[in-house]
Amino acid sequence: AQKVTQAQTEISVVEKEDVTLDCVYETRDTTYYLFWYKQPPSGELVFLIRRNSFDEQNEISGRYSWNFQKSTSSFNFTITASQVVDSAVYFCALSVWGAQKLVFGQGTRLTINP
Amino acid sequence: NAGVTQTPKFRVLKTGQSMTLLCAQDMNHEYMYWYRQDPGMGLRLIHYSVGEGTTAKGEVPDGYNVSRLKKQNFLLGLESAAPSQTSVYFCASTSGGSSYEQYFGPGTRLTVT
Repeated sequence: AQKVTQAQTEISVVEKEDVTLDCVYETRDTTYYLFWYKQPPSGELVFLIRRNSFDEQNEISGRYSWNFQKSTSSFNFTITASQVVDSAVYFCALSVWGAQKLVFGQGTRLTINP
Repeated sequence: NAGVTQTPKFRVLKTGQSMTLLCAQDMNHEYMYWYRQDPGMGLRLIHYSVGEGTTAKGEVPDGYNVSRLKKQNFLLGLESAAPSQTSVYFCASTSGGSSYEQYFGPGTRLTVT
């Protein structure tokens, strides 16, 4: 069975601080995919990134970066120089090859205070 | 492109009433999903479909039924609503299977009193 744990229920920081959202996953499959989604206060879910299990390169997109480490089964998300618009609930998710479905973590509510 | 749309956006039901939520996508996606979102529990998969005419159970299927008669539509039914089904329901679709990102609808907020 697959499982995703986001141990941080809520995080609150002041604008311009860096913040890291943790994601730990469990699976016995060797081929799998990891995702991050953002849910702003308006409620819709927005896709941020996908990584496959064979690509451990870290990824950077503007102020966002992702650190994938198979050795610790983690796929952490860092926002550098946070902004108020980054306030949202962030979900980490996992799917395994052939399963046709996602397993979501519980989500982390991030609040950026001005 | 409207993407994924959901009807209605809000609904209040009394215990025992029935209703159908409609999800429509215009991206010609094969796969469609229904999730529910409850505080502190993330999104949990109710049912999903890997193609027209197919459905499968997800993590929390009890009390719900689904149908995928047309490729672009995925219906979620509650035959006899219960207060435990108060939740926000999201529909999603994707072109591929496990390796592809899912596109989500705006959600339906359902309250059962």
